[in-house]
Formats: sequence, structure tokens, C-alpha cells
Amino acid sequence: DVKVTQSSRYLVKRTGEKVFLECVQDMDHENMFWYRQDPGLGLRLIYFSYDVKMKEKGDIPEGYSVSREKKERFSLILESASTNQTSMYLCVVQGGNTEAFFGQGTRLTVV
Amino acid sequence: GNSVTQMEGPVTLSEEAFLTINCTYTATGYPSLFWYVQYPGEGLQLLLKATKADDKGSNKGFEATYRKETTSFHLEKGSVQVSDSAVYFCALSPYNQGGKLIFGQGTELSVKP
Repeated sequence: DVKVTQSSRYLVKRTGEKVFLECVQDMDHENMFWYRQDPGLGLRLIYFSYDVKMKEKGDIPEGYSVSREKKERFSLILESASTNQTSMYLCVVQGGNTEAFFGQGTRLTVV
Repeated sequence: GNSVTQMEGPVTLSEEAFLTINCTYTATGYPSLFWYVQYPGEGLQLLLKATKADDKGSNKGFEATYRKETTSFHLEKGSVQVSDSAVYFCALSPYNQGGKLIFGQGTELSVKP
């Protein structure tokens, strides 16, 4: 199985701060995704990438950006954190045969 | 567009009861369909999947059948256990869209002894 590691389990940041969430995989898969999970809303796609230096907007990209400088690392950036970005953030890597591997999640609180 | 709708929770059952969690979808083409489970304090993990119409996915006593005519993928289990208490997510992956997953809102299941 693919191991997907998110840099932090819990983060507390102040409104207006720039926030970096890191995701690293231990295999050579192209497809990586960032979702946020909120109660009653399920998981919503923020951004995704199919290759190095490539990025595509998902369903809710506003207020976020991403970076993929190396194949194994996909970073989610909150340019200026706001309280409505308090959420659980999940990194997902798609392996072969459509199987998806999930990171443990980063619970971000913006105060 | 593509979307997934699940029955709202929370669902509370007694041990050994029959479980159904409804899931319907909207998609163009022929998506793959999934059920994911999230146990308390843990990440999401794949429970079962089906990749074409009439396929039945099964795992750990759970099963779901890909019904194209009703655009449904309902999750069932004949006899639930306390250890099945979790949040269940139905999801689809649109055909030829590089593994993107679209999730339903999740259904919380609580099984009482």
C-alpha cells in the first residue's frame, strides 16, 4: 500500500497567516488530491495534480493554492487564513486500478 | 455534473439488526462507485467498490450492487456489530478523470449493544 504522510495532525493558526499543509507519498504515483472534510458536507475537492508542476482547481479552490515541485510532495497553501477555513484537510493519492490512499488528515483551526 | 447523495444520519441500530444506507448518484458516462468507512479517530479506508453496472462489491459482511437503471449503490449488511459504528461515505470516480473522487456527505452509524 501507498503510505501518505501529512506533516501535521493538528494546527492552530491566526487569521491572516499564510499556512502550508504538506503531503508526501512513498511511491511514484502521479495523481494527488487535496480535500477538506466538514460535518454534513462530506469531502470536497480543493485542488489536484496529475504531475509535477501541474495543478487543477477542484470544486472549492477559492482562498487556496497548491505547489507540486517534486512528484512525491503536494502542498496546500492558505494564502491568508480565515476562520471559515477551519476544517479537516485530507491528502489523497491515487494508486493503480483506481484505488485511493488517504493521509491521516490535518485538523486546522483558524482563530 | 457529477454528484452523490446519501441518506442522512445519524442512523442508530441495535446489534444484529439489518443495515441499509442509501446512495444515489448523478454522473455522465460510466463511473466507478465506492464505499469508504471512517472509524472514530481514524482516516478513511476503502470498504468496497464496483467498477461496472451489476457488479457487486463486498467486504467484511457489507455489500453493495452497482445499479445503473436506478443510479444507486446502496450499502447493506445483514447483521451489524458494535464495531461497525463509523461514518460511511459513498463516492464515485468519473470515467476518464484521473481518479478524482466525488463524495456524498457521509452517514454516521451508531450500533448499540
